[in-house]
Parts: sequence; structure tokens; C-alpha cells
Amino acid sequence: DAMVIQNPRYQVTQFGKPVTLSCSQTLNHNVMYWYQQKSSQAPKLLFHYYDKDFNNEADTPDNFQSRRPNTSFCFLDIRSPGLGDAAMYLCATSREAGTGIEQYFGPGTRLTVT
Amino acid sequence: AQSVAQPEDQVNVAEGNPLTVKCTYSVSGNPYLFWYVQYPNRGLQFLLKYITGDNLVKGSYGFEAEFNKSQTSFHLKKPSALVSDSALYFCAVRADTGRRALTFGSGTRLQVQP
Repeated sequence: DAMVIQNPRYQVTQFGKPVTLSCSQTLNHNVMYWYQQKSSQAPKLLFHYYDKDFNNEADTPDNFQSRRPNTSFCFLDIRSPGLGDAAMYLCATSREAGTGIEQYFGPGTRLTVT
Repeated sequence: AQSVAQPEDQVNVAEGNPLTVKCTYSVSGNPYLFWYVQYPNRGLQFLLKYITGDNLVKGSYGFEAEFNKSQTSFHLKKPSALVSDSALYFCAVRADTGRRALTFGSGTRLQVQP
């Protein structure tokens, strides 16, 4: 089945130690998104790629970076995680063609910062 | 700016009874509206969308939603609730032009009692 995959599902890192979260998709969608979700709150968009074009949200901290080496993969890098960065990180994709614009989400990576 | 309001933090309903989860929105231009469901420690799952056309939209698992332009609402409904419908529900909006990012509501927790 076509899907959005996130690895790992659970990640523990130390305060200040860089961490990378991974997302891959088999849907061949041209847009990929990264969201941060805390405590069952609304997901907060960090940034997204439209094809290779990177779109950063104005309030996304510089501590968060992203890479999209090809259509299928997208990475979220947190350069120096703080305790406040502990959250669920959700990757999503969309096709952005015609009316098929809904986003499909991966299962998420729960990040713990110790 | 676009926004979504979900006025109820929690909705309680007995199994077999109809359910409604409320959503109102604000957006410049024509709205694209979405409902997502989230089970514990999982990503968001797409339920249904309104893009254009018939105001009554049918989606997955027996859910439907009615787009009301004059009231700027997009309430989620189901004729007969199941215990397995208990989850967190998010309404989201984006405009038909410009910014692709979704704006999510704060979420409504649906509790279906046996």
C-alpha cells in the first residue's frame, strides 16, 4: 500500500545533541510537510517542500532545518534540541494537482529530550 | 489570515446515537475544508474534504460533513456513533489560492460511551 513512513517512531536524545528524523513516501506526492504537535494540540507547520522549493514558516526556530534529497525522502534536523522541543513530529505529503490536495500523514515520531 | 474554531474541547455521545462535531472557519477567498481524525500516538488520518460542488460531503467510516457558506461552518456528523469512533478530531482550512498550508482547529475529543 502507498504510504508515508516515519523512522524512528520513538526517539530519545540528550539536551543539545543533534537529532535527525526521517520521512519517506511511496505516494509520489510533490509536496512534503513537517509538523510539530504537542500534547494533542493542533499540529503546527514547521516548513514544507513544494518539489525542491523549501518554504519555511516565519515562526519556525532556526534550530530546525530540513532536507529533501529526492521526491521520496525528507529529513528534519534539530541542531540543538531543547526540552521545549519534546513533541510528536508529523510528516505529511500532498499531490497538489486538481482536487486531490488532501494531506496524508505518517504515524509520527515522538521525540523525548533528556 | 485564516483560522478555524472548534468550540467544543470534548463531545460525549452514547453508542448508536448521532454525533456532531462543530467547526467554523475564516479564510480569504473560497475555502478548502478538511476533517482529520487522530488516534492515540498515531498520525492524522484523512476523513473527508470539501473543495467544491455538493455541500454535503461523505467520507470514510460513515462520516459526513455539511458545508454552509453563509454560516462559515463545516460540521462533522455521523448518524450512529461507534465506541471505536472515540478519538481526537481536527478541522482544517486553506484558501483556494495562494498559501498551501493548512490551518488546523484546536481539536475536539469525541468520547462514545457503550
